[in-house]
Amino acid sequence: EAQVTQNPRYLITVTGKKLTVTCSQNMNHEYMSWYRQDPGLGLRQIYYSMNVEVTDKGDVPEGYKVSRKEKRNFPLILESPSPNQTSLYFCASSLRDRGPGANVLTFGAGSRLTVL
Amino acid sequence: GENVEQHPSTLSVQEGDSAVIKCTYSDSASNYFPWYKQELGKRPQLIIDIRSNVGEKKDQRIAVTLNKTAKHFSLHITETQPEDSAVYFCAASYSGWYGQNFVFGPGTRLSVLP
Repeated sequence: EAQVTQNPRYLITVTGKKLTVTCSQNMNHEYMSWYRQDPGLGLRQIYYSMNVEVTDKGDVPEGYKVSRKEKRNFPLILESPSPNQTSLYFCASSLRDRGPGANVLTFGAGSRLTVL
Repeated sequence: GENVEQHPSTLSVQEGDSAVIKCTYSDSASNYFPWYKQELGKRPQLIIDIRSNVGEKKDQRIAVTLNKTAKHFSLHITETQPEDSAVYFCAASYSGWYGQNFVFGPGTRLSVLP
């Protein structure tokens, strides 16, 4: 089944304790991205990647890191989490080129993170 | 950078009526405009999209219109059903060789009353 898998789905942590949210897709998509969803603010892009070793900042990158060493994986790293990073996080992927399905984001199930 | 506004923030309609959600964007370089539906506790899923070289697109009860000059696009749902109740997000995206960013609107909570 074609899918985007995120882990963990739920996490409660404390300020300053480094954590990683993993994201993996099995659709051979070039494009992968991370979003955070907060009430009233919609989905805000954190980072995106056009392909392996190519990443760029979205609208809210502060406090986050990413890496794209393999095409299928795009982990989100919070080096020193703070309470304002408490949010629902979504990973998504898509094909890049034009044609059927291009740019259509397939989202993971979401990861709810609470930072105390 | 791109900024997307979306109105209304909440919308209640009677079953069978039509619903219209409107979005405006600021960056004339944006060339792809998808709409996503998010049911409670679920992930967003694409319901329809339109590219900048097209003015209108329809898929059964759902249609999207794009006015590039005015920089706005709208979602139209006809003959609404209770299962249409969800939060709807519009987005504007520029897709180019150097990158692709998606900027989403804040969402519209649609309630279809039986």
